[in-house]
Amino acid sequence: GDSVTQMEGPVTLSEEAFLTINCTYTATGYPSLFWYVQYPGEGLQLLLKATKADDKGSNKGFEATYRKETTSFHLEKGSVQVSDSAVYFCALRRQAGTALIFGKGTTLSVSS
Amino acid sequence: EAQVTQNPRYLITVTGKKLTVTCSQNMNHEYMSWYRQDPGLGLRQIYYSMNVEVTDKGDVPEGYKVSRKEKRNFPLILESPSPNQTSLYFCASSPPGTGLTGELFFGEGSRLTVL
Repeated sequence: GDSVTQMEGPVTLSEEAFLTINCTYTATGYPSLFWYVQYPGEGLQLLLKATKADDKGSNKGFEATYRKETTSFHLEKGSVQVSDSAVYFCALRRQAGTALIFGKGTTLSVSS
Repeated sequence: EAQVTQNPRYLITVTGKKLTVTCSQNMNHEYMSWYRQDPGLGLRQIYYSMNVEVTDKGDVPEGYKVSRKEKRNFPLILESPSPNQTSLYFCASSPPGTGLTGELFFGEGSRLTVL
């Protein structure tokens, strides 16, 4: 079945470091791909998305490119801030269905 | 303010005592869904609803019921809660017509503990 695999956390970085969180997926057809972020004590909110191959989603300095050849959607940011500390979820939505399938989440902790 | 509102935010209950977690959205969204979040498992879909009176099972529906009598409300019912339903629950909704590409709007979550 369809699935999303994210790198295990926690990821601990110093402020201004470069961030990569790996995400790969398994899916039939051409899913849409998403990154959601969950700040402490809050619900999830959409960070960025890409709906077709080679699309790049971007928001708040974060970027991810939909790579169909490697079935990947890695999240990157050039310079993280303490306020980026959160749990990040990679997700896909199947072409023929309605369920959003999530990865297990990656906790990011940024220290000053 | 556009939002998804869940209640209660925190609840401690005992095995077998029926409870309902309410969910309401004010964005006129057709699609609504319930997820549970557990450590090491991420988010898993419990039930979803494409529109009023239309509901369907997600990946982990056992032990739960839902109803969709009005567009804005989508309550989650635990008829006889058990300790393995201790979890963090999220309600989410999605705008009409967005289909594959639409984002989900999440509530703030309801932390349920079943003793």
